[in-house]
Amino acid sequence: AQTVTQSQPEMSVQEAETVTLSCTYDTSESDYYLFWYKQPPSRQMILVIRQEAYKQQNATENRFSVNFQKAAKSFSLKISDSQLGDAAMYFCAYRRGGTASKLTFGTGTRLQVTL
Amino acid sequence: AAGVIQSPRHLIKEKRETATLKCYPIPRHDTVYWYQQGPGQDPQFLISFYEKMQSDKGSIPDRFSAQQFSDYHSELNMSSLELGDSALYFCASSLGVAGPTYEQYFGPGTRLTVT
Repeated sequence: AQTVTQSQPEMSVQEAETVTLSCTYDTSESDYYLFWYKQPPSRQMILVIRQEAYKQQNATENRFSVNFQKAAKSFSLKISDSQLGDAAMYFCAYRRGGTASKLTFGTGTRLQVTL
Repeated sequence: AAGVIQSPRHLIKEKRETATLKCYPIPRHDTVYWYQQGPGQDPQFLISFYEKMQSDKGSIPDRFSAQQFSDYHSELNMSSLELGDSALYFCASSLGVAGPTYEQYFGPGTRLTVT
């Protein structure tokens, strides 16, 4: 069974600074996808960024980027120029390839952004 | 753009009662997923449907049942409700086949409170 581990229950960053959230996963599959979801106080699940396992290039979306280390099964999220609106719970998620595959989430990291 | 619609948004039931949650996927999406998120927890996969057939099943209690209808909307039926069923229930939709649109788009969730 696939597992996703987030070892940082809480993180704090100052506004305009950079923070990295860690995620490791375990799978025997070769075809899979990794995601970071943001859950603000509204509890809406918002997709932040995705990474296809077959791609060597790290995904980037504006201020958000990932460091995907396939051999180490590591998938960290870097948030640059942090903003107050980035404060939320962040979940790392795994999905194997194929039709209609479920998401498996990590336990989440709560990010605080301070002035 | 149209999003996933869930109804009701909030539901209060008493123990041993029955609840029905509804999900309307994004137009042309053929796959629906249900997730349960307890307080302070990560979302847990319950069940999914692809083209109106059950495609995967997670840790869904026998008291719960679900189906996907001909118009692709889905309903989650929960009977003999217990206090522990109090949670946020997410529905997500996607196109089932792998490709650029493999992302799961989440609805706003239904908050179920069992008293």
